[in-house]
Amino acid sequence: DGGITQSPKYLFRKEGQNVTLSCEQNLNHDAMYWYRQDPGQGLRLIYYSQIVNDFQKGDIAEGYSVSREKKESFPLTVTSAQKNPTAFYLCASGKIVTSDLFYNEQFFGPGTRLTVL
Amino acid sequence: AQSVTQLGSHVSVSEGALVLLRCNYSSSVPPYLFWYVQYPNQGLQLLLKYTSAATLVKGINGFEAEFKKSETSFHLTKPSAHMSDAAEYFCAVSGPNNNDMRFGAGTRLTVKP
Repeated sequence: DGGITQSPKYLFRKEGQNVTLSCEQNLNHDAMYWYRQDPGQGLRLIYYSQIVNDFQKGDIAEGYSVSREKKESFPLTVTSAQKNPTAFYLCASGKIVTSDLFYNEQFFGPGTRLTVL
Repeated sequence: AQSVTQLGSHVSVSEGALVLLRCNYSSSVPPYLFWYVQYPNQGLQLLLKYTSAATLVKGINGFEAEFKKSETSFHLTKPSAHMSDAAEYFCAVSGPNNNDMRFGAGTRLTVKP
């Protein structure tokens, strides 16, 4: 089955620790994204990558880091600099659909719930 | 810049009643519009999308949405609610020739028996 996997589903972190969230896709999509979801705030973009070895900051990148060494993988590290990391994290991959113009259709993984103890 | 506003953070309907979830967009370029559904502790699943073809778009699970440029709206409807429709719904907008997608704050739908 093609899709996006995220692990772990639940993650607990002590204050001051870095943690890494995994995201893997086998959809052969070039673009990948990380979002943070908090109640009542919708999804906010942390980082995105349109191609291997390249990524850009989103709206709330501070305290987070990413890498894109393989097309299939886009891990997110939540560093100790992130002051309020408890949230639901969603990874997505993007299929570029081309007609006269192109648009971006995103497919989401099941999410990781991070809790800071 | 593009954005969407979802009117009503919570909507409650009775089983069998009409579902109407409201979304208004702001965009300086022709928008592409999407509705996603999220069940508790899960990712988002695409319900339907508007990509400048037909203004009335049909999606999965009996949902549909109509693009109204004059009202800058893309409201989601379903004629008859089912208990399984209880979830959170997100409207999103993207522009042509870019990879940016902006999400609304979400509307939580409750279906009463």
